[in-house]
Amino acid sequence: AQSVTQPDIHITVSEGASLELRCNYSYGATPYLFWYVQSPGQGLQLLLKYFSGDTLVQGIKGFEAEFKRSQSSFNLRKPSVHWSDAAEYFCAMTGTGNQFYFGTGTSLTVIP
Amino acid sequence: NAGVTQTPKFQVLKTGQSMTLQCAQDMNHEYMSWYRQDPGMGLRLIHYSVGAGITDQGEVPNGYNVSRSTTEDFPLRLLSAAPSQTSVYFCASSYSILGSGNTIYFGEGSWLTVV
Repeated sequence: AQSVTQPDIHITVSEGASLELRCNYSYGATPYLFWYVQSPGQGLQLLLKYFSGDTLVQGIKGFEAEFKRSQSSFNLRKPSVHWSDAAEYFCAMTGTGNQFYFGTGTSLTVIP
Repeated sequence: NAGVTQTPKFQVLKTGQSMTLQCAQDMNHEYMSWYRQDPGMGLRLIHYSVGAGITDQGEVPNGYNVSRSTTEDFPLRLLSAAPSQTSVYFCASSYSILGSGNTIYFGEGSWLTVV
């Protein structure tokens, strides 16, 4: 079965600290992978996506993610977090079929 | 670019009432979908469409109807609202569900409360 798992429901980091949000997927081949961010009261905005090629992808707002086939993971990273990064983050994938699969989200709190 | 437009943004319904959430996109996307977002449950797919005249059920279709008479519009109908349908609803679209054109774009959401 195809699925996406975000093991961390909530993460708190200090402003300026590094960040890593975890995402694992279940799929029999290489999926298309995405990270979205949702600010309070807003829709979801695409941060970055992986289709093929270089396994380290760069996104907007200084985020990057690395696809690791051996670990079925697509973790999101940022070297230095800003207070404005506080939001909900969703990992998603598509494979075969007509559906996008979303994780349950990780809520990020940034403390000054 | 308007992107994906949802209306209304906020709505309060009484149990048993019906209503339609409107969704329109101006990107000529073939794939459109509706999700509901509930705390701790992420996004769950209600219905989707791969083109005009074609719709299919997602994970949680009960109590909802959709139609796709044009490429641009994909309304979601609540037939008889129940408190369990209190949620935030997102419409989304993409050029394609498969291949490199499958980036999904979201509307800004519709907050629905059923009392």
